[in-house]
Amino acid sequence: GQNIDQPTEMTATEGAIVQINCTYQTSGFNGLFWYQQHAGEAPTFLSYNVLDGLEEKGRFSSFLSRSKGYSYLLLKELQMKDSASYLCAVKGTGSARQLTFGSGTQLTVLP
Amino acid sequence: EAQVTQNPRYLITVTGKKLTVTCSQNMNHEYMSWYRQDPGLGLRQIYYSMNVEVTDKGDVPEGYKVSRKEKRNFPLILESPSPNQTSLYFCASSLRRVGYEQFFGPGTRLTVL
Repeated sequence: GQNIDQPTEMTATEGAIVQINCTYQTSGFNGLFWYQQHAGEAPTFLSYNVLDGLEEKGRFSSFLSRSKGYSYLLLKELQMKDSASYLCAVKGTGSARQLTFGSGTQLTVLP
Repeated sequence: EAQVTQNPRYLITVTGKKLTVTCSQNMNHEYMSWYRQDPGLGLRQIYYSMNVEVTDKGDVPEGYKVSRKEKRNFPLILESPSPNQTSLYFCASSLRRVGYEQFFGPGTRLTVL
C-alpha cells in the first residue's frame, strides 16, 4: 500500500516564498505529481517528478528525493490567487491504480 | 477544446433511488477513473478503466458500478445510494498510465438524503 503525508494547512504572505512538503511510503514508486485545487473546482496539474532533483516551472518548482521518500512544492512570489489546496499524489508500481493522493495542504495567502 | 465533462454537476436524491453520473472525454484517452473527495480524506479512487471493456476496483468501490462500452464514456452507477455516498465526485482521464497527467472533470456534488 501507499501512505502520503502533507501538512493540513499553511499560511503565507503575498510576495513571499512557501514550501509545501510531502512524505510518502510506497511499495513501489513510479513518479510523484502535484496538483492545485481551488475550492469547489477540479484539481489541475502542476508538476511531475520521477527522478531525483528539482523541476522548475515558472513560479512553481518541485523537488524529489526517492531515497528519503520526500518531495516539496516551492511557490515563489506568492499571489492571492495561489490560495488553494495543493495535492501530492504518488504513482505506484505493480498496479494499474495510477495515483494515490494525499489529503492536501490548504494554503492561504494573506495580503 | 480538450476536456472531461460530467453530468449532472449537482444532484440531490433520496436513499435507494438508482442514479448514474456520466463522464465523457474528447482526448482519446485510454485510462479513465472515478474519485470521491471528502473533507480530510482527500481524493480516493472508486473505479478505473484501462480501456474499453476493461475496468477494475479502486480503493473504495463498495456501492458503485461502472461500465466502459466506449472509449470516451465512463459512467458511474449507484444502484442504491445511501447517505454515506454523499460526496464530491470527480472523473479523470489520461493518455497513458505512467508519467502522464490526469485531466479532471468539473466534479459532481451528490447529496443523498
